[in-house]
Formats: sequence, C-alpha cells, structure tokens
Amino acid sequence: GENVEQHPSTLSVQEGDSAVIKCTYSDSASNYFPWYKQELGKRPQLIIDIRSNVGEKKDQRIAVTLNKTAKHFSLHITETQPEDSAVYFCAALYNFNKFYFGSGTKLNVKP
Amino acid sequence: DTGVSQDPRHKITKRGQNVTFRCDPISEHNRLYWYRQTLGQGPEFLTYFQNEAQLEKSRLLSDRFSAERPKGSFSTLEIQRTEQGDSAMYLCASSGQGRGGTDTQYFGPGTRLTVL
Repeated sequence: GENVEQHPSTLSVQEGDSAVIKCTYSDSASNYFPWYKQELGKRPQLIIDIRSNVGEKKDQRIAVTLNKTAKHFSLHITETQPEDSAVYFCAALYNFNKFYFGSGTKLNVKP
Repeated sequence: DTGVSQDPRHKITKRGQNVTFRCDPISEHNRLYWYRQTLGQGPEFLTYFQNEAQLEKSRLLSDRFSAERPKGSFSTLEIQRTEQGDSAMYLCASSGQGRGGTDTQYFGPGTRLTVL
C-alpha cells in the first residue's frame, strides 16, 4: 500500500509571508497528488493538484512542486492572508483507485 | 446544486444501534468513495465503487460495516451494532468524467456520527 507523511503538523506565519507544507509518499506507483483545504466543520475543498508527469503547477498564490525521484511534493502559498487559515491535507492516488491522505497541517495566518 | 450531498448531516445514536448514511454523488461521476475522518486526522479510506461494483475495501471496514451502490448512482453506508469508537465524520466523495477530470475528487459535507 501507500503511506503519506505530512509536515509540519502546525504552521504559523505572519500575513504576507509564504507558507510551505511538505508531503512524502512511499509507493512510486502513485501518480496523482491533490491538495485539500478544510475549514472547521466543512468539507475538504480541492485547491490544487499535480500529476506525476509534471514537476510544478501554479495557480495564482498557490503552487505545488513534485519530485518523483525523492517521492515528495510540496504546497507553496505566497502572500498569505488570514482567510488562508485552515487545515491543509495532501493526498496520493495509489493504484488508480485509492487515495491516501496525510495527517494535515493546521495553518494559522496572523494578521 | 450539482455537488455531492450526504444525508443526514448529523446522527446521534446509542451504542448497539444500527445506522445508515446516504451519499448522492455528482450525477456524471462513476466513482464513489467513502472515508472516515476523526478529529485532527486526515480522511481514512474505507471503500470505493466504480459504477455499482465495490472494487476496494479497507481493512478498517470491519464486518459491521457494509456499503452498497445498487444502481451506480447513490450509495449507502451501514454500520451495525455501533460502538463508541465509530464516532467520526463520514465523508463521501465522487470523481469521474466531467467536472475536474477523472481523478479529481469532490467531497460531500459529511455525516457526523456520535455514538453514546
């Protein structure tokens, strides 16, 4: 199976600073890596994703990088805003039909 | 709204009772997933359907848990003889052709189960 590890578990940044969250996965067969944002009491919302044939993807203030050799991928949020405060989860799609999630990073953006 | 919906949103039950949850996926999606999420943790995979076929089932899904998707549309998750350890948020997600592409999952709002 797959094992996804996520770090850090909590991250506190000042508004306007950048935030980076890292995940590692164990199985090279995993080929799709989404990131979700979950606000308290709400459903996980997809914010960005990347496939294994791409090294980097960017969407406005959010970017994801993937290193297939090292089996790790990272979420980068620039110019953070208080509304970015939430729990962020990474995930890996294993064997085309099973998602494994990281344990989450609680991001706190201080105004 | 054409998103994933779940019913009920909250369920409180006594230990030993049976409960059933329903998930309605995005209409054009053929893949449906059930997850369990406890406080402070990421969603844990429970089971996966492609159309009406249940293709994957986690070891977490004991024999007290059963899921169905009889017509390849909505799905139900039943927990028999509930235990306090079953208290969690049960999330449903769907993916498939159409919105977002084949692998992109969209989550429902979840059913929060509390077992007293």
